[in-house]
Amino acid sequence: AQKITQTQPGMFVQEKEAVTLDCTYDTSDPSYGLFWYKQPSSGEMIFLIYQGSYDQQNATEGRYSLNFQKARKSANLVISASQLGDSAMYFCAMRETNTGTASKLTFGTGTRLQVTL
Amino acid sequence: EPEVTQTPSHQVTQMGQEVILRCVPISNHLYFYWYRQILGQKVEFLVSFYNNEISEKSEIFDDQFSVERPDGSNFTLKIRSTKLEDSAMYFCASTQDGSDRDRQFFGPGTRLTVL
Repeated sequence: AQKITQTQPGMFVQEKEAVTLDCTYDTSDPSYGLFWYKQPSSGEMIFLIYQGSYDQQNATEGRYSLNFQKARKSANLVISASQLGDSAMYFCAMRETNTGTASKLTFGTGTRLQVTL
Repeated sequence: EPEVTQTPSHQVTQMGQEVILRCVPISNHLYFYWYRQILGQKVEFLVSFYNNEISEKSEIFDDQFSVERPDGSNFTLKIRSTKLEDSAMYFCASTQDGSDRDRQFFGPGTRLTVL
């Protein structure tokens, strides 16, 4: 089974609109972290937002928010007021604590977001 | 904000040659990682490194790969005899305490092309 599933290979959104990028995860570890990274065409990995499994509140970072539904094992990224510069690949990733001392990130396959005028 | 640096940004090599990819993690970080991303695919974990030894490695990280922290600031990935399928973007990352909450800082990547 996939640890991280991103079912939307591509999404379009109009400038200034909000968009939700889906992410579901699979773990039996009670303590884990969920991350979203943005990868523009230049290739670097840009950290956007983090949600801990024990966090009571949904994480927010500026125009980014994470819709965390623990029972459903979903961690969707919401981008509000989309901008042309948001066009990029977006990866959801999970970090579990039972996998060793230096817990690795497991990534999903990504969603390519295209913001249109 | 502190950053992870990687050199070179692009490396072209012939099949069978050895390559060394270099990374300088953030200075007070203790955990180091290498990830690989084949063009158009997801990012895959290769290896993690802590306290001067490998903490975990994936199935991809076979005997052709090795990592080293030669001098307390650099963190290197060596591929002994490159294959065509090693062509990918290689990312180095580092974290401070390795907990699930701790954000991993990624370097800009090295694009390796094996001909």
